[in-house]
Parts: sequence; structure tokens; C-alpha cells
Amino acid sequence: GNSVTQMEGPVTLSEEAFLTINCTYTATGYPSLFWYVQYPGEGLQLLLKATKADDKGSNKGFEATYRKETTSFHLEKGSVQVSDSAVYFCALSDQGAQKLVFGQGTRLTINP
Amino acid sequence: ETGVTQTPRHLVMGMTNKKSLKCEQHLGHNAMYWYKQSAKKPLELMFVYSLEERVENNSVPSRFSPECPNSSHLFLHLHTLQPEDSALYLCASSQDVAFNQPQHFGDGTRLSIL
Repeated sequence: GNSVTQMEGPVTLSEEAFLTINCTYTATGYPSLFWYVQYPGEGLQLLLKATKADDKGSNKGFEATYRKETTSFHLEKGSVQVSDSAVYFCALSDQGAQKLVFGQGTRLTINP
Repeated sequence: ETGVTQTPRHLVMGMTNKKSLKCEQHLGHNAMYWYKQSAKKPLELMFVYSLEERVENNSVPSRFSPECPNSSHLFLHLHTLQPEDSALYLCASSQDVAFNQPQHFGDGTRLSIL
């Protein structure tokens, strides 16, 4: 079946550091890939998405590239801010299943 | 006005109580979802509605009963819950159930079972 694996958290960085959160997936067919972010006390918000191989999703300085050959969708940001502290979820949606499958989430804390 | 609104934000109930969670979306979407978010576990999809018809029920115990009276409203009726049902319950909506449609989430109801 479909599955998403994210790097274990929590991740703690200093402000202005470079961020990478790894995400790999297993899916039949050609899934769409998403990153969602959950700030404290809130629901999930779509951060970015990519719907086909080699697409790059980007938003708020975050980027992720759909890599079919490595079945990965790693999240990156060049310079993180304290306000980026949140839980980040990688997810996929497969044409056959027609539903989102989430990774377990990675908690990110940015210290000033 | 936020796109997806959930009420109440917090709910404490005993195991013999009956209560309902409410979700309302103002986005004109046709699909709505209930998820359960527990600590240290992946997000669990509970129910999916498309055009007010239930299209998925992920082996959820019968003490959880969903209701979708129209495409803008979704309820989760709770009865005789167990302590392990304490969690954050999230509602979401999407334009339709097509696989590449992003979902828009509410802020959730934090449920505590005494």
C-alpha cells in the first residue's frame, strides 16, 4: 500500500540556519505530493505541492522537488526564522486511492 | 472569515455522555473529511463525504457517527467514548475527492474523555 516516511524529529535549529526535512514515499502509479504545516493550536495548512516528476513546489521560502527516481520530496529552506517553528507533514495522494496519506510529522523548533 | 470552522475548540466529556462536533466550510467545496490526530501517531482518516454521501469509512468504531446534512456542514456525533478516544479531531474540505486536490483544514476540536 501507499506510505510516507519522514525523518524523525524533533529538529532544533538556530535562526538563519539551512533546513532540510527528508520525506520518502511508496506508491503505486504517479502520486501527487504535498507538504502541510501545523502551527501550535491550529489545524494543518497546505505549504506546497507538486503533481508530477521534477516539479518543484515553493511557498514562503520553502521548496521541495518531486524526485521519482529516488521517490523523495525533501523540504528545504535556506534561512529559517523563529516563526517557522511548527510540525511539518509530508503527504501523498494516489489516483487509485483518492485520499491523502500522511507521514508521522516532524516537529521543528527554531531558536533565536 | 476562516475557510473551515470547527466548534467547539475544546470538549471534555465523560464516557457515558453524548456530544457532537461541528464543522462548517465556506469554500464551496464538495468533499469533507474527519481526521483523528493523536500524540506520536500519524494522522488517521476517519470518514470522507463527497456531495453529502459517505464514500469512505476507515473501520471507525460505531461510537463515532458522522452526519453530512449538506455540502457545507459536517458533524461527528459521539457516544460512549473511551479514554483512548482523547485526541484532536480535525475537519477538512477539498473541491472534490480528486487525488491532486489539496485539503483545507479547520483548527480542530481538542477532545478529552474522563
